[in-house]
Amino acid sequence: DVKVTQSSRYLVKRTGEKVFLECVQDMDHENMFWYRQDPGLGLRLIYFSYDVKMKEKGDIPEGYSVSREKKERFSLILESASTNQTSMYLCASSLHRDMAAFFGQGTRLTVV
Amino acid sequence: GENVGLHLPTLSVQEGDNSIINCAYSNSASDYFIWYKQESGKGPQFIIDIRSNMDKRQGQRVTVLLNKTVKHLSLQIAATQPGDSAVYFCAENLGGGSYIPTFGRGTSLIVHP
Repeated sequence: DVKVTQSSRYLVKRTGEKVFLECVQDMDHENMFWYRQDPGLGLRLIYFSYDVKMKEKGDIPEGYSVSREKKERFSLILESASTNQTSMYLCASSLHRDMAAFFGQGTRLTVV
Repeated sequence: GENVGLHLPTLSVQEGDNSIINCAYSNSASDYFIWYKQESGKGPQFIIDIRSNMDKRQGQRVTVLLNKTVKHLSLQIAATQPGDSAVYFCAENLGGGSYIPTFGRGTSLIVHP
């Protein structure tokens, strides 16, 4: 089975902190994604990557950056956390464009 | 955990009934569709997929129907069980080389024992 692992289930950070959310997949998938999920808004794409060191902006990249130094790892960075970034963050990976993305368990981030 | 089912369309059924969850997709060029199930506090879980050259695909207790004419997708769950209670999302992979799954808002399924 595909396994996508997010480093934390729950995080509480202070406004202005730099926050790293880590995601690792074990199936040699090319594509990796970061979404945030908020009630009533569904899943919104923040960033995605289709190869090592490659990244593309999604629908809501402002306030975020990403890093993909190794194929299996895709990190989401909040440069200066703000309270409006309190959300559920979901990482996903897929082997190919014609194959389903598989998700991690999510990280519930609270910024106070 | 926070309830991602808030503000979503809700389908309530009795245990043992069949459930039908509908989804309208946006892009006529989309060529691959996926249904996900998300339980409270967890990430979305793949259920079943279908490509645009098909109009029906069956899995274990689930069937997906695709109507490209009206850009409509449905998920049928047979003999619904309490463990099926979750939020269900459809996702489309846009055509033209896109590999980014685009998600609908979701439907909350509540199964009453």
